[in-house]
Amino acid sequence: EDQVTQSPEALRLQEGESSSLNCSYTVSGLRGLFWYRQDPGKGPEFLFTLYSAGEEKEKERLKATLTKKESFLHITAPKPEDSATYLCAVQAYYREGAQKLVFGQGTRLTINP
Amino acid sequence: DTEVTQTPKHLVMGMTNKKSLKCEQHMGHRAMYWYKQKAKKPPELMFVYSYEKLSINESVPSRFSPECPNSSLLNLHLHALQPEDSALYLCASSQGRGSKETQYFGPGTRLLVL
Repeated sequence: EDQVTQSPEALRLQEGESSSLNCSYTVSGLRGLFWYRQDPGKGPEFLFTLYSAGEEKEKERLKATLTKKESFLHITAPKPEDSATYLCAVQAYYREGAQKLVFGQGTRLTINP
Repeated sequence: DTEVTQTPKHLVMGMTNKKSLKCEQHMGHRAMYWYKQKAKKPPELMFVYSYEKLSINESVPSRFSPECPNSSLLNLHLHALQPEDSALYLCASSQGRGSKETQYFGPGTRLLVL
């Protein structure tokens, strides 16, 4: 069964203190790993898609990397506005245009000024 | 533009009411999704429509009834809901043309069932 585990559950950092969020996955043939950011009471905002081990993508202070068993979301010199829940998901199923994602429980990130 | 819109933003309903949630996208996407999300939990898939046909139903109770009138619109009809159905309901869409796709989410409808 496809499974996604994110760690830590919650993380508090000082502004400017860099760190990494982890997403471990078990899936029968990776067809895509996705990172989303979600603010309280709002819909998830797409950040990155990674498809193969060794792939890296960057956006502002965020960098996502992928190995055969896990993905990391590196946050460099974070600012308070980076505070959010970060969700990791893998594509578990695809058929005739319909895609099923399996989500991790998320990491709640708080950046203190 | 990767915008998915949802209306209403908030909805309060009694257990005997009938209401509908609406989702719209104009990206030409052919797959549309309904998710339910409880507080501090990840989104849970409810339904998937692909090319206006119901493709996935994750064993959702019949008090939730999805409808896809056309390729840009997705509705979720609600009837005789229970208090435990209170949640954030999210709509998403993806291209529906290949396995390497990204889902884009709307802002959600916050539903409270009294």
